[in-house]
Amino acid sequence: AQSVTQLGSHVSVSEGALVLLRCNYSSSVPPYLFWYVQYPNQGLQLLLKYTSAATLVKGINGFEAEFKKSETSFHLTKPSAHMSDAAEYFCAVSTGTSYGKLTFGQGTILTVHP
Amino acid sequence: DSGVTQTPKHLITATGQRVTLRCSPRSGDLSVYWYQQSLDQGLQFLIQYYNGEERAKGNILERFSAQQFPDLHSELNLSSLELGDSALYFCASSTGLAGPYEQYFGPGTRLTVT
Repeated sequence: AQSVTQLGSHVSVSEGALVLLRCNYSSSVPPYLFWYVQYPNQGLQLLLKYTSAATLVKGINGFEAEFKKSETSFHLTKPSAHMSDAAEYFCAVSTGTSYGKLTFGQGTILTVHP
Repeated sequence: DSGVTQTPKHLITATGQRVTLRCSPRSGDLSVYWYQQSLDQGLQFLIQYYNGEERAKGNILERFSAQQFPDLHSELNLSSLELGDSALYFCASSTGLAGPYEQYFGPGTRLTVT
């Protein structure tokens, strides 16, 4: 079985500050990990994915995430927040044995203050 | 625009009724997934089809069923609707059956059961 825990349902930062959204996963087999973003009244958009190649993954809009097997973590970061980053972010896991099924975390709402 | 289309965008219906949600995957994608997003359950995987065949099942109620047609579009049928079925239903598509294939999400169908 696989699961994802996102620490912090709400994160608030100032514009220009570092963004750090935490994700820990549980999987009995090597995982594939994803970060998605959801803007209000829209579908989910893929930010980045980890597929067992490089452990530091760069995505769109300046986001990146680092896979740390020893910590079972895949935290999402961005050096400098923009107002347009305000949205809900979801971490998700799938495995080669679960077909394409994505198991999502509960989501983290990011608020960016001017 | 992800290339995945879903209709209708909104659906309001009464308890006990039956509705059909429709999804057209991205051109060339063979896998279609259905997810339910609600405030109490978060994002939950329902079912996956690959090239017309059911491949994985998640927390899908017996009152719900789905199919994928030869042209690869998919329909999710929800019957004997209850108030608790009110949610946002997403369709996603990907190229492959399993593994690290990213899923592209449609804009969703918001179902309100009154």
